[in-house]
Amino acid sequence: AQKITQTQPGMFVQEKEAVTLDCTYDTSDPSYGLFWYKQPSSGEMIFLIYQGSYDQQNATEGRYSLNFQKARKSANLVISASQLGDSAMYFCAMRETNYNFNKFYFGSGTKLNVKP
Amino acid sequence: DAMVIQNPRYQVTQFGKPVTLSCSQTLNHNVMYWYQQKSSQAPKLLFHYYDKDFNNEADTPDNFQSRRPNTSFCFLDIRSPGLGDTAMYLCATSSLSRTDTQYFGPGTRLTVL
Repeated sequence: AQKITQTQPGMFVQEKEAVTLDCTYDTSDPSYGLFWYKQPSSGEMIFLIYQGSYDQQNATEGRYSLNFQKARKSANLVISASQLGDSAMYFCAMRETNYNFNKFYFGSGTKLNVKP
Repeated sequence: DAMVIQNPRYQVTQFGKPVTLSCSQTLNHNVMYWYQQKSSQAPKLLFHYYDKDFNNEADTPDNFQSRRPNTSFCFLDIRSPGLGDTAMYLCATSSLSRTDTQYFGPGTRLTVL
């Protein structure tokens, strides 16, 4: 089974509006972490936000917030007040800890286009 | 600033001609990873190092090898590149903290002609 599923290959959003990017995950590890990364066309992976499996509150970082619904195994990224510079590929990832290292599983990504 | 550096940023090689990509880090992290990312796809883990312990993913071709001479440096060697190895190669590091992210380098875009 897929560890991380992103069902939206592409999304469009109007500048200044909010957008939600979907992510569901599958794990039996009780202690896991969920991450979102932004990848512009330059290729560099930029860390956006982190949510731990035991965190009671949803994570927020500036315009980014993570809508964490543990029972549904979903970790959707919400970007408020979209900007043209938000146009990029977005990857959801999950960290499981195997023995002596953290293994990260990535979804297939969502390409976000912000329209002026 | 602490960071992950990859060289070169762009590499063009001929079919079958060995190529080496390098990665260095100033974060002093125990774990270093190499990912292959083809166009519009998710990064695919090739292997990782925990200190000097090398760990290969089961589906990583034998054509891909790696070396980690010290904590700071890690190399990806592609012994006989094929056209299908054209991709972005991303190096990343992480600490052992469960709450820490991976830190990525800028990537090397490899083109095999």
